[in-house]
Amino acid sequence: GAVVSQHPSWVICKSGTSVKIECRSLDFQATTMFWYRQFPKQSLMLMATSNEGSKATYEQGVEKDKFLINHASLTLSTLTVTSAHPEDSSFYICRTPGLGDNEQFFGPGTRLTVL
Amino acid sequence: SQQGEEDPQALSIQEGENATMNCSYKTSINNLQWYRQNSGRGLVHLILIRSNEREKHSGRLRVTLDTSKKSSSLLITASRAADTASYFCATVSNTGTASKLTFGTGTRLQVTL
Repeated sequence: GAVVSQHPSWVICKSGTSVKIECRSLDFQATTMFWYRQFPKQSLMLMATSNEGSKATYEQGVEKDKFLINHASLTLSTLTVTSAHPEDSSFYICRTPGLGDNEQFFGPGTRLTVL
Repeated sequence: SQQGEEDPQALSIQEGENATMNCSYKTSINNLQWYRQNSGRGLVHLILIRSNEREKHSGRLRVTLDTSKKSSSLLITASRAADTASYFCATVSNTGTASKLTFGTGTRLQVTL
């Protein structure tokens, strides 16, 4: 199956800084990318859906100016957490769907810790 | 919120026992999927059951689906210590575009020797 990588796998930053998380599909054209956030011991919550070459669609309650998503190519989608605060500390996971419902390609996740 | 509920939230069993997790959801679905997540890691797809199916097996996994009750169950038979993980159900609704997965709250399974 396709491989989706995320970089970095973990990052620690100071409050107020911005962090960019990259999600790459290595052998698959990711037309659509879903971004999730998972707080400790909680479930995955969908943040936004991005389509290559167009603006992302954000879920209710997710600030689009704080979580900037760029999907400029079929192999790369990025999520930038701007002016990060400790409450943004979370596990961020990207997902791109395959050709069928059985095919869901998840990135391994990025652990963000904001001090 | 469209998120499904899972119970129990946490389950602790001994190796060799069976583990049953339940998932309830709110909307009409295309299919329902179960995933496993080891601590701090990504998700692993376990099994998919379509809305017109009632039961499905895969190795030691057995999944049931009752669309009238909007519920599903995952049974892991003869559990092993390596099954220790969090398990999530995820429903897929037909959005007309790429399939949107909505995850349940998850069950943390601990299998002890």
